[in-house]
Amino acid sequence: QLVLTQSPSASASLGASVKLTCTLNSGHSSNTIAWHQRHPEKGPRYLMQLHYDGSHKKGDGIPDRFSGSSSGAERYLTISSLQSEDEADYYCQTWSTGRLFFGGGTKLTVL
Amino acid sequence: EVQLVESGGGVIRPGGSLRLTCAVSGFKFDDFGMGWVRQAPGKGLEWVAGINWNGAATNNADSMKGRSTISRDNAKNSLYLDMNSLRGEDTAFYHCARVLGDGDYVGYFDYWGPGALVTVSS
Repeated sequence: QLVLTQSPSASASLGASVKLTCTLNSGHSSNTIAWHQRHPEKGPRYLMQLHYDGSHKKGDGIPDRFSGSSSGAERYLTISSLQSEDEADYYCQTWSTGRLFFGGGTKLTVL
Repeated sequence: EVQLVESGGGVIRPGGSLRLTCAVSGFKFDDFGMGWVRQAPGKGLEWVAGINWNGAATNNADSMKGRSTISRDNAKNSLYLDMNSLRGEDTAFYHCARVLGDGDYVGYFDYWGPGALVTVSS
């Protein structure tokens, strides 16, 4: 069964950069994933689709500060020039064998 | 502008049934697969069910199998989730979401609704 692993929390200072990680389990290391952002009391927002080779396609209106990269089974979301509104939960998502899967999410705190 | 808006949430007793509706606008509904995703209090996102562009292919998560049915009415630009035998652990915000791609129900969600709260409580 496909499993996506994310660290539960991360923090970085205002104006700095942060790199969040989503790890695919064995047998699924070439999967494309999507990154989503979730603020409390709001619906999730699609950030980008990220392929195993690091190529990515962002959603409508997603700032250049958000970028993606990959290494093996790891998929990364890098947010640069952190702003207070970037404080949110971030989820990775993919699919396999007719089902869709989410990582456990990373809560990002902007200090 | 793409918009998805859920309705039909509320407080329901354990064992009860509920229909959620997702009204969409701003895109050609029958070009896209759709899905339902939920988030229970303090938990992460969980896929619930998916349906392809014409309703011929559907699937449900194991947690809702046999207790939920996803359907759509392309003429009404609407997506539905019928749930029965509801339990306390089904308490969650339920979001509808559009699947990026060629009309299949598997893929990557690219637009989401704000969600409808379903509370299962006696």
